Amino acid sequence: EVQLQESGPGLVKPSQSLSLTCSVTGYSITSSYRWNWIRKFPGNKLEWMGYINSAGSTNYNPSLKSRISITRDTSKNQFFLQVNSVTTEDTATYYCARGYYTVDYWGQGVMVTVSS
Amino acid sequence: DVVMTQTPVSLPVSLGGQASISCRSSQSLVHSNGNTYLHWYLQKPGQSPQLLIYRVSNRFSGVPDRFSGSGSGTDFTLKISRVEPEDLGDYYCLQSTHFPWTFGGGTKLELK
Repeated sequence: EVQLQESGPGLVKPSQSLSLTCSVTGYSITSSYRWNWIRKFPGNKLEWMGYINSAGSTNYNPSLKSRISITRDTSKNQFFLQVNSVTTEDTATYYCARGYYTVDYWGQGVMVTVSS
Repeated sequence: DVVMTQTPVSLPVSLGGQASISCRSSQSLVHSNGNTYLHWYLQKPGQSPQLLIYRVSNRFSGVPDRFSGSGSGTDFTLKISRVEPEDLGDYYCLQSTHFPWTFGGGTKLELK
């Protein structure tokens, strides 16, 4: 069964970069699907951030396009999220998730707080 | 962006009863390939969202038939019959027809 697991620092200072890793087991990220990052803000709003597909192409939410980068390490079956110039408004629980059109499997999520 | 309006925000129910959640989109969710990418998720406290219904009306693996989805175009509904304690939590719709993908605001299903 496919499993996804997020990891990364739980606290980031304003203006710095947020970097998270999603480790995938049970399925190769180069086989198929889009590999997504989604976040949930305090107050429960969910936001799709972007994806990297099995070929390595990316697509980002225009609301984040200038600050976000999604990359991967195929040798480790991992993909990564970087968000630059964070503010307190980037405080959220971050999820990685598999899906082409249907997001079917999600990681457990990692809470990231932006605070000085 | 496609705006997903989900109602109600809170839905008190009795165990064994029925619940209905609406999700309306600001534009048609019919993709150029003919499919409609509207999905429903349940998020229980402390857990990640779990897929219930994909492409309007298809139950995901292991989802009981108490859950059903319907609708077309811009108007969609999730129905839960014979509500059980494990059904309580936050429900979300997601459209993945148009980029950026967007979610509804959520519905909290709670005991009356």
